[in-house]
Amino acid sequence: EVQLVESGGGLVQPGGSLRLSCAASGFTFSTSWMHWVRQGPGKGLAWVSRIKGDGSSTAYADSVKGRFTISRDNAKNTLYLQMNSLRAEDTAVYYCAREICVNGPCYSDAFDIWGQGTMVTVSS
Amino acid sequence: QSVLTQPPSVSAAPGQKVTISCSGNRANIANNYVSWYQQLPGTAPRLLIYDNNKRPSGIPDRFSGSKSGTSATLGITGLQTGDEADYYCGTWDNSLSEVVFGGGTKLTVL
Repeated sequence: EVQLVESGGGLVQPGGSLRLSCAASGFTFSTSWMHWVRQGPGKGLAWVSRIKGDGSSTAYADSVKGRFTISRDNAKNTLYLQMNSLRAEDTAVYYCAREICVNGPCYSDAFDIWGQGTMVTVSS
Repeated sequence: QSVLTQPPSVSAAPGQKVTISCSGNRANIANNYVSWYQQLPGTAPRLLIYDNNKRPSGIPDRFSGSKSGTSATLGITGLQTGDEADYYCGTWDNSLSEVVFGGGTKLTVL
């Protein structure tokens, strides 16, 4: 079964750190572009970051640049998001998602597999 | 405030058709592919449309997408109560170098 399962969310104080994990199964993880997308309480979707299959290329939203780091361990089929200097506005459900590739081309804005999400709450 | 603009809500009766618009600019929609997502309450988003008008495997042809210039549209025919959800458009923005989403549209099937 094709699946993504996030973990690592929780309550953290402002200025603190947290590392999210996303375990992948059922597809070739090592060749897949992977993304993190978040959704604040009652709000819309917001893209956070992406990483190429071999880890050689990454990108970040301006709102998290310099504070968050995306990485992956292809031997463990696991995606990570290291979040430092957390702020109240980072409070959200964090989803990992796979970028869709169809017969070769990949679409950087289209995510066909999503995890169930993990909640991050930044509060004192 | 979202980069892409969607109407906050739309409604229609069961069996009818509804369209949801998504407005952007030359940095995003006009020069990139558009995708559409459905998010049922309490669940993760589901990809409905990618590459402006293509459906992933398993998405019924009741869902369709189109793009013209700086705007895109999602169409849903034969509305069912199970279609009640939030719908989001998304695309890449060349100026921001980010994936951007619309603010979401809540569909009510009356």
